[in-house]
Amino acid sequence: EVHLVESGGGLVQPGGSLRLACAASGFPFTNYWMNWVRQAPGKGLEWVANINIDGSEKNLLDSVRGRFTISRDNAKNSLFLQMSSLRVEDTAVYYCARNIGFETFDYWGQGALVTVSS
Amino acid sequence: QSALTQPPSASGSPGQSVTISCTGTSSDIANYKYVSWYQQHPGKGPKLMIYEVNKRPSGVPDRFSGSKSGNAVSLTVSGLQAEDEADYYCAAFGASQLFGGGTKLTVL
Repeated sequence: EVHLVESGGGLVQPGGSLRLACAASGFPFTNYWMNWVRQAPGKGLEWVANINIDGSEKNLLDSVRGRFTISRDNAKNSLFLQMSSLRVEDTAVYYCARNIGFETFDYWGQGALVTVSS
Repeated sequence: QSALTQPPSASGSPGQSVTISCTGTSSDIANYKYVSWYQQHPGKGPKLMIYEVNKRPSGVPDRFSGSKSGNAVSLTVSGLQAEDEADYYCAAFGASQLFGGGTKLTVL
């Protein structure tokens, strides 16, 4: 059974940093592009970043480019999102999601809450 | 590239059918092949319900169907059940923003 479990969320001050992790199990992790999608409180879904199977290709939302970095460790079946220079507007639940092609996400984690506040 | 627009709310009684639309701001949505729909219950991660406009993943009831007509794609839920009450999001590969704004479906 496919499982995606996010961790690393929490409260951080504006300008601070946080690293999210997503532990994947139940499928061949190295065969899939992976994504981060976020959801601000009471708002809709917003795609944040994706990464290809070997980590050589990465795409980021314009508003986070230069501040966020997506990476993966295929040996550990893990996906990461390094977030720096955090802003209040980055406050959201961050989901990792498996991509089966053309930005179609067939499995999602339960999410990790990131709160940016002073 | 289109942005995707959904009605903020929809509702129906148990047993009825409800259709949720997802429209593009330009005519190019008619050419989108990779449209998906997600269901999200409060406090939960989204669940894929429809992909490639009208395909259902294994395990999704056939009460859920997707279609495309003109400048809109639609999700229809037939035989509404209480557990169908949730938020629904469309997504289209190639759109200026991947996800629509979401529709809250209420089962009366």
